[in-house]
Amino acid sequence: KAGVTQTPRYLIKTRGQQVTLSCSPISGHRSVSWYQQTPGQGLQFLFEYFSETQRNKGNFPGRFSGRQFSNSRSEMNVSTLELGDSALYLCASSLWVGSYEQYFGPGTRLTVT
Amino acid sequence: DAKTTQPNSMESNEEEPVHLPCNHSTISGTDYIHWYRQLPSQGPEYVIHGLTSNVNNRMASLAIAEDRKSSTLILHRATLRDAAVYYCILPMGGSQGNLIFGKGTKLSVKP
Repeated sequence: KAGVTQTPRYLIKTRGQQVTLSCSPISGHRSVSWYQQTPGQGLQFLFEYFSETQRNKGNFPGRFSGRQFSNSRSEMNVSTLELGDSALYLCASSLWVGSYEQYFGPGTRLTVT
Repeated sequence: DAKTTQPNSMESNEEEPVHLPCNHSTISGTDYIHWYRQLPSQGPEYVIHGLTSNVNNRMASLAIAEDRKSSTLILHRATLRDAAVYYCILPMGGSQGNLIFGKGTKLSVKP
């Protein structure tokens, strides 16, 4: 079974721009969660989507948003990029909402200059 | 909220067993204990989880103390590929499935 895939793997953007990252979950998994990883803050939860609805949200500003499609694929968007948004963005899928057994993709490395 | 405490780093020799400890003295009766690991330049990887009894899978074993205030992840024969940061994770109040990662234990494996 194919794992979680994320595109693109690397991205360089300029301050003030916006970016959209994509995640395809494992086949049959209906929940998708997004995490941000930085050297200073470690891994932090952004949000979780299930059945096209956001079910849970971490402590991030409204510039961070996401959505989920009917095929469970998910996108996250960051608007008005700041230098501090440079990070590894990880997507994880699970069978059900609220599951602690999650399967992560390789991440998208975003650099904001 | 249950808090976990892990050593910052550990070293092991290749092909020897490794015991990675985690203290969680404030764990509640219904909290599952989850372990993840993150290899260099990769996303975290689910390893194992358990509630009360010891658990085994193809990757590792999880030994849970009788009072559940601590647990130990056991890698039976460490390989170079097991060098990673290992995270012991418990649910946080209201977290509803979002994983709260601490700093974890960085395991180094020497050939």
